[in-house]
Amino acid sequence: ETGVTQTPRHLVMGMTNKKSLKCEQHLGHNAMYWYKQSAKKPLELMFVYNFKEQTENNSVPSRFSPECPNSSHLFLHLHTLQPEDSALYLCASSQDPVNSGQGYHNEQFFGPGTRLTVL
Amino acid sequence: KQEVTQIPAALSVPEGENLVLNCSFTDSAIYNLQWFRQDPGKGLTSLLLIQSSQREQTSGRLNASLDKSSGRSTLYIAASQPGDSATYLCAVRRAGYSTLTFGKGTMLLVSP
Repeated sequence: ETGVTQTPRHLVMGMTNKKSLKCEQHLGHNAMYWYKQSAKKPLELMFVYNFKEQTENNSVPSRFSPECPNSSHLFLHLHTLQPEDSALYLCASSQDPVNSGQGYHNEQFFGPGTRLTVL
Repeated sequence: KQEVTQIPAALSVPEGENLVLNCSFTDSAIYNLQWFRQDPGKGLTSLLLIQSSQREQTSGRLNASLDKSSGRSTLYIAASQPGDSATYLCAVRRAGYSTLTFGKGTMLLVSP
């Protein structure tokens, strides 16, 4: 496997289900991200992890719960979702400096996404 | 709050044409700007990254420019091909943050 992989690629779930999205990066990066892409809206950042520590939470509802056990893996745990949560969920990774704000941040590489449908 | 606007929202051209996609952003305090390509239902492919101190970057038939002071970037595609058909997204990275702010994209269709 190369680059950034995501599983599953497609997921259909009911509002009472609990499911998890998985992301794995094979690039040796130290930062990972979850984005949400809804129809007709720009990509929205959800969470950022740098060296396994969550550094940003973009006012995401608690029904979305991220987990980053190591710098190569990122999960998004889903529970009691709403139909409006249906979207393409994209994972990305990058090699960022240790101290945010110093030096240039390198480009982000994206996975293929998980198409989520909530019934 | 940073806002990114991409014009046009959609563009249809015949094969072989040179074309320009536009991106503007409201806050010039950026670290870099990145252009992506997204095929329908797929993830994003990074095309070009321009650091805030740079004026342009080139990769093959693609050339991206950055005018940070005016808050603008353009993506120039030379000799367009049907395989270039996709949505092109512009994203800016705020100085000191990991956050990328995206535009809504330009949907490009290149017909044979």
